[in-house]
Amino acid sequence: NAGVTQTPKFRILKIGQSMTLQCTQDMNHNYMYWYRQDPGMGLKLIYYSVGAGITDKGEVPNGYNVSRSTTEDFPLRLELAAPSQTSVYFCASRNSRGLYGYTFGSGTRLTVV
Amino acid sequence: AQRVTQPEKLLSVFKGAPVELKCNYSYSGSPELFWYVQYSRQRLQLLLRHISRESIKGFTADLNKGETSFHLKKPFAQEEDSAMYYCALAPQGAQKLVFGQGTRLTINP
Repeated sequence: NAGVTQTPKFRILKIGQSMTLQCTQDMNHNYMYWYRQDPGMGLKLIYYSVGAGITDKGEVPNGYNVSRSTTEDFPLRLELAAPSQTSVYFCASRNSRGLYGYTFGSGTRLTVV
Repeated sequence: AQRVTQPEKLLSVFKGAPVELKCNYSYSGSPELFWYVQYSRQRLQLLLRHISRESIKGFTADLNKGETSFHLKKPFAQEEDSAMYYCALAPQGAQKLVFGQGTRLTINP
């Protein structure tokens, strides 16, 4: 049981490049989330999904896109990378029963130069 | 709007000393509150939640509705407690947690 798996762990992008951060969970969780973690700023919600085919914006969605074609996968897409998107990105999932049951991935450290 | 405030970005105490990480929230209903911890180079994990009234790794947290606080306490800090700590709020009926800014706790030997 792998839990929540994020790839890649590290990535350096040039301004204007695009990339997809992958997130996969094997717990059959309906809810999935993308957060970014900036120093001193805590965790900010980018997008979330309550089930396959359903996504919604969080606090800081600009510059990102998501899709949820399956229960397991919730990729985060950066179309035109900007230095402001330099951050650590965390994916999380939970089942329907309780909000406390967040399971986090190990994170992706992204640097845009 | 719901908000969680952790007033201390950094907190440093000596091993064996008491530690208190502050958390204040803004929410008009009955909240569910949690503490998450992130050890160095590890993923975030749930430390404790107020409804369970449990003590995990010697930490406790009491919900004070009058002061809208949920401070995390430990009577005798240990070096392995050094980590980033996040307070989080679950509004009623909401589908997502609201996190505070985090406090980096350092325990000095």
